Amino acid sequence: AQKVTQAQTEISVVEKEDVTLDCVYETRDTTYYLFWYKQPPSGELVFLIRRNSFDEQNEISGRYSWNFQKSTSSFNFTITASQVVDSAVYFCALSVGRSYNTDKLIFGTGTRLQVFP
Amino acid sequence: EPEVTQTPSHQVTQMGQEVILRCVPISNHLYFYWYRQILGQKVEFLVSFYNNEISEKSEIFDDQFSVERPDGSNFTLKIRSTKLEDSAMYFCASSSDTRPVNTEAFFGQGTRLTVV
Repeated sequence: AQKVTQAQTEISVVEKEDVTLDCVYETRDTTYYLFWYKQPPSGELVFLIRRNSFDEQNEISGRYSWNFQKSTSSFNFTITASQVVDSAVYFCALSVGRSYNTDKLIFGTGTRLQVFP
Repeated sequence: EPEVTQTPSHQVTQMGQEVILRCVPISNHLYFYWYRQILGQKVEFLVSFYNNEISEKSEIFDDQFSVERPDGSNFTLKIRSTKLEDSAMYFCASSSDTRPVNTEAFFGQGTRLTVV
């Protein structure tokens, strides 16, 4: 079975602090995909990143960076120099991509990040 | 930029009533999904739809739920007899392919359903 665990339910930081959101996944499939989505207070889901299981290279996009480690089944997300606008719920998700006609996402429970000025 | 559009943004309905949530996926996409998020909880998969039929559904998607693509552009979720516990945010998503390079589902902004 597939599962995504986000152990941190809520994190509060002060602006300009760095913050890391943890994500641990479980799957027996060798081919899978990992995602991060942001859900701001307005409620929509905003895609941030997709990573496939064969690419363990870390990625940086502006203030965002992602650390994928298959050895620990983790896909952690770091925001550098956090800003108030980063306040949102962040979801990690997993897709095993084994079926030709469905590609459902399995979400973690989310981490609520509050950035205070 | 193409986007998935959902209507209405908020719907209030009485328990026992039928409700239809509407979605317009991105025009060249072939795979369609509905997800649900009960307030404060995680996003849960309901159903996926491809080639005019359901390709996978979760345990949540019981006989009270149905999906349809009536006219080649809309994708609807119907709940026949709503219960209080159906109150949630419902997200529609679409993707162009399930193959690795295209495995990105685009989500709509959601419809908040409130059953009273």
